Amino acid sequence: EAGVVQSPRYKIIEKKQPVAFWCNPISGHNTLYWYRQNLGQGPELLIRYENEEAVDDSQLPKDRFSAERLKGVDSTLKIQPAELGDSAVYLCASSYDAYGYTFGSGTRLTVV
Amino acid sequence: SQQGEEDPQALSIQEGENATMNCSYKTSINNLQWYRQNSGRGLVHLILIRSNEREKHSGRLRVTLDTSKKSSSLLITASRAADTASYFCATDFNAGGTSYGKLTFGQGTILTVHP
Repeated sequence: EAGVVQSPRYKIIEKKQPVAFWCNPISGHNTLYWYRQNLGQGPELLIRYENEEAVDDSQLPKDRFSAERLKGVDSTLKIQPAELGDSAVYLCASSYDAYGYTFGSGTRLTVV
Repeated sequence: SQQGEEDPQALSIQEGENATMNCSYKTSINNLQWYRQNSGRGLVHLILIRSNEREKHSGRLRVTLDTSKKSSSLLITASRAADTASYFCATDFNAGGTSYGKLTFGQGTILTVHP
């Protein structure tokens, strides 16, 4: 089993530029999560998908962040335009039910 | 917002000693989970304890849960240098017995085990 795969691993961009992150969950996992982790903090949920449907996006800053989950499998998270405060690690996780979460290695975003 | 709070924020011990980390939370939960995160890496699931359980063991890990005090502890026995990492507790919010499937993390405890 490959685990949750995220890319890129690192990304450095200038402020006001767009950026996208990609996540491939574990096969068969119907629930997919995007979390953001600021330095020295625990992860915070941005959005949760059940199959193709975003069922919890209350913490997603919708003015600049967008997400989609294609055919209930892969997902992309986009920021446009990026701000300095968006620098963080973006983690993707998937689960089959509410008890078995698997996290990817994350994408470390630096906005300069 | 972060529901859980871990204590201590940092813990430094010698190899072979036991490490105890505590977590407090605010709302009713369906379950509580502990994760480890090595520097620059993703989160690794360690153990899950359900709200109707009081203690759980996995190898050198022992987790307790006190729902009346809304607190949990993680004990790592006979620590090793490889246990050096950040440890997070995460709660799965419970509303009317239904799990939301949304983990709320604490700020973590940084554990350093010296060889």
